[in-house]
Amino acid sequence: AQTVTQSQPEMSVQEAETVTLSCTYDTSESDYYLFWYKQPPSRQMILVIRQEAYKQQNATENRFSVNFQKAAKSFSLKISDSQLGDAAMYFCLTQGGSEKLVFGKGTKLTVNP
Amino acid sequence: EAQVTQNPRYLITVTGKKLTVTCSQNMNHEYMSWYRQDPGLGLRQIYYSMNVEVTDKGDVPEGYKVSRKEKRNFPLILESPSPNQTSLYFCASRLVAGGLETQYFGPGTRLLVL
Repeated sequence: AQTVTQSQPEMSVQEAETVTLSCTYDTSESDYYLFWYKQPPSRQMILVIRQEAYKQQNATENRFSVNFQKAAKSFSLKISDSQLGDAAMYFCLTQGGSEKLVFGKGTKLTVNP
Repeated sequence: EAQVTQNPRYLITVTGKKLTVTCSQNMNHEYMSWYRQDPGLGLRQIYYSMNVEVTDKGDVPEGYKVSRKEKRNFPLILESPSPNQTSLYFCASRLVAGGLETQYFGPGTRLLVL
């Protein structure tokens, strides 16, 4: 069975600083994908970044990057130059060949001006 | 505009009164799914569908039914709602099964069962 653990229920960061959200997972799938989604107060689910597990290179999307450690089953999200609009709930999730998406319980990020 | 729509967005009902939450996507996606979001539990998959007439259970299917008669629609049916089904529901779709395509989420349906 797949599991995703986000050990930080809440995090805060000062505007313009860097913050890292942690995520560990467990899966028996040989091929899988990893995602970070953000959910602002509007409740809309927005894709932040995605990573194919077979790729060693860490994905980057503008100010967002991941540190993917496959052996450790770790997939942390780094947000650089944090902005007020980054305040949201962040979910880490895995998608395996069984088609099932498994979500972590989320990390609420607060950005302080 | 590519989107997933859900209706209604908000619903208050009473125990036992059958209801349907509709979901429609305009992107010709094969894969569609339903999730519920509860505080402290994140999102949990209820049902998913890999194509027309193909559906399968997710993690929390009890008390729910789905159908996929057309590619664009994937309604969620609560035959006899109970208060423990009070939740925020999301429909999502993806281009193909097994790919790294972005999963598009609907805006959510907030359901209160009294």
